Amino acid sequence: DGGITQSPKYLFRKEGQNVTLSCEQNLNHDAMYWYRQDPGQGLRLIYYSQIVNDFQKGDIAEGYSVSREKKESFPLTVTSAQKNPTAFYLCASLSRGDEQYFGPGTRLTVT
Amino acid sequence: SQQGEEDPQALSIQEGENATMNCSYKTSINNLQWYRQNSGRGLVHLILIRSNEREKHSGRLRVTLDTSKKSSSLLITASRAADTASYFCATVRVVQGAQKLVFGQGTRLTINP
Repeated sequence: DGGITQSPKYLFRKEGQNVTLSCEQNLNHDAMYWYRQDPGQGLRLIYYSQIVNDFQKGDIAEGYSVSREKKESFPLTVTSAQKNPTAFYLCASLSRGDEQYFGPGTRLTVT
Repeated sequence: SQQGEEDPQALSIQEGENATMNCSYKTSINNLQWYRQNSGRGLVHLILIRSNEREKHSGRLRVTLDTSKKSSSLLITASRAADTASYFCATVRVVQGAQKLVFGQGTRLTINP
């Protein structure tokens, strides 16, 4: 899982609550990404950030928000506006060789 | 949007056999990457092939790219039980200076001992 950490590994929340997922990297990578994975599916891009204090919406940004105040950190908030938040969330950073390094993921369950 | 389509969706073979997975895509790409995911874990990068390359090797892995057919294949030779995992292709485009990956739905590979 490289130098990217995600916490917690499992997260449980009640419907209507916002929740923030942590992603930290010590690889000195500029670009970072958040993906969502549903069972038996590929990854879908939520948000990405190329540099500090800048981020862009991906394909499924509705109901999510991010911040990038530090190079090492790219937290994702799943808001109550996200209709189907239960999923596996993966954070990644981009190396100079164009490879993405992924964290171990956070499995979020909302009931 | 998911651009890559992988085939087959699931593959089960005996240890020692070769495994081939295919990926097709729709638009032009900068490069194509293959990743591996063990159940419930993050993805691990396997190999990157650029749009001007046709074949690439890494250990027991061989990747081909045919840009005219918009397709790629991943061959794992002499498979091992530890190769059991899901394998994803990701097409890569650079949009306004940002690299964006679009993943296929993956191939679930099972190696039977």
